[in-house]
Formats: sequence, C-alpha cells, structure tokens
Amino acid sequence: AQKITQTQPGMFVQEKEAVTLDCTYDTSDQSYGLFWYKQPSSGEMIFLIYQGSYDEQNATEGRYSLNFQKARKSANLVISASQLGDSAMYFCAIGTDNMLTFGGGTRLMVKP
Amino acid sequence: DAGITQSPRHKVTETGTPVTLRCHQTENHRYMYWYRQDPGHGLRLIHYSYGVKDTDKGEVSDGYSVSRSKTEDFLLTLESATSSQTSVYFCAISAEPYNEQFFGPGTRLTVL
Repeated sequence: AQKITQTQPGMFVQEKEAVTLDCTYDTSDQSYGLFWYKQPSSGEMIFLIYQGSYDEQNATEGRYSLNFQKARKSANLVISASQLGDSAMYFCAIGTDNMLTFGGGTRLMVKP
Repeated sequence: DAGITQSPRHKVTETGTPVTLRCHQTENHRYMYWYRQDPGHGLRLIHYSYGVKDTDKGEVSDGYSVSRSKTEDFLLTLESATSSQTSVYFCAISAEPYNEQFFGPGTRLTVL
C-alpha cells in the first residue's frame, strides 16, 4: 500500500515570498509518479506538477517546482513569489497501480 | 480545460434511497476514477475503470458500485444511501495510469 504524509495542516506566507510545502511518501514500487494539486475555495482540483520516479531533474512549471529527494522519499512543492491567488488547499499524491493516493493536504494562506 | 462534467452537482436524499452519480468526459481517455473527499481525509479512491466494462475497487469501495458501458460515461451508484456517504464526490480521468488526472467539478451529496 502507498502512503502520503503532509505534516503541515496550515501555513502562512507573505505575498511575494517563496514557500515550501512538505510531502513524504512510502511505497515499495520502483516505478511511480508524484503529483501536486491545488484546490481553491471554489472546490475544483487543479493539477500543478508531476515528477516521475526515474526523472533525474526536478520538475518545474512556471512558479512551481518539485524538490524530489528519492532517497528521503520526499517530494516537496516550492512556490516562488507567492500571490494572493495561491491561497488554497494543496494536495500531494503518489501514482502507482493505476491509481492515485492523496495526502491530507496543506492549507496555504498568503498574506498581503 | 479537460471536458469532464458531473451530474447532478448537488443532491439531497434520504437514508435508504438509491443514488446514481454520472461522470461524462469528451476527451476519450481510457481511465476514469471516482473519489470522495471528506474533511481530514483528503481524497480517497472509491472505484476506477481502465476501459469499457473494466472496473476495479479502490480504498473505500464498500457500499458503492460502478458501471462503464461507454468510454465517455462512468456511473457511481449508492444502492442504499447512508449518512456516512454524505461527502463531495469527484470524478477524474487520465489517458494513462501514470499521467496526471483531470478532475470534474464535484458533486455534493447529502444523505439525511
């Protein structure tokens, strides 16, 4: 079975600063994918970024980057230059065996 | 945006009644998923489908059944709804099992 742990239930960040959201995972599979999703207060789930277990480079998508440390089984999301619109729930997920397993989420609040 | 719709978007029903939720996609993706989201639990997989008439159980499948008779439609049925099934239900699709999943807008179900 796969497990995702997000240890920060809530975080504050000042607008324009960078923030790191933690995610650790546990799996016995050698091939897997790591995903981050954003859920604003409106409720939709928005895909942000993906990292494959065999990818040697950390994934980046605009202001989002994934700090992948395979030996430590961590896949932290870094958001640079935070914006007020980044205030939302953020979910980390691991993809194996045709399915995603999600963590409990981190609520990020951006202060003006 | 990926073409995924869910119907109904909101439903209130009584304990013991059958309920069917529909997910419809226009992307011709092979994989379709049903999740439920509850406070403190993130998203949990109920059932998924890897093709027409091909389905499998997820983490929280008890009390739910699914059917997929066409590529574009994936139905979730609660045969006899219980109050513990009050939740927000999300449908998701993906082209391949390790690809990102795209989510529908969600269905808020209340069982009284």
